[in-house]
Amino acid sequence: SQQGEEDPQALSIQEGENATMNCSYKTSINNLQWYRQNSGRGLVHLILIRSNEREKHSGRLRVTLDTSKKSSSLLITASRAADTASYFCATGFQGGSEKLVFGKGTKLTVNP
Amino acid sequence: EAGVTQFPSHSVIEKGQTVTLRCDPISGHDNLYWYRRVMGKEIKFLLHFVKESKQDESGMPNNRFLAERTGGTYSTLKVQPAELEDSGVYFCASSHGIGILFSTDTQYFGPGTRLTVL
Repeated sequence: SQQGEEDPQALSIQEGENATMNCSYKTSINNLQWYRQNSGRGLVHLILIRSNEREKHSGRLRVTLDTSKKSSSLLITASRAADTASYFCATGFQGGSEKLVFGKGTKLTVNP
Repeated sequence: EAGVTQFPSHSVIEKGQTVTLRCDPISGHDNLYWYRRVMGKEIKFLLHFVKESKQDESGMPNNRFLAERTGGTYSTLKVQPAELEDSGVYFCASSHGIGILFSTDTQYFGPGTRLTVL
């Protein structure tokens, strides 16, 4: 399977703590994107990291990509209750197809 | 700038009926994608349009699903006849780039249409 797989499946932390989610994939990629989905709502794009990049930041988000290990991590610093959501990684592959392949997601709960 | 919009937000139909979902991409985006998430499973790709042409329809589950994008603007996804296993959330996404050069472009998703087949 080409799909990304997030780890852990569920994560519960206290407000102010950092949250780290990991994603692994199996084949060569062009890019990896992280999305957030609040309960019952659509997918919100968080960050895209290209295969030739190793780290990107956006506000309280930090994404790393290790193509040798075929893995990525999403770090949310100083978490807030509003960060409670499901987080998905999605990979875009080499070879012409532009479809994204999603993992099952990590359900993050930030307790006030 | 308006985001990707989808209509309806929720549809409840009976097995054997027909349903048509609509997606309006972000203005100027040539790429339009359909994905779906059935209960407990991953979000899975259905197909990709570049303007009005189907670029990749490898994810379409069977011939009960028909997607169109006449004129290269909005797209419809028709399910006829609907089966119980078609229940799920259908997402549409769009991106700006054209072709391989822009294949790493960000895909922006709509809110989804929740389809329930009884």
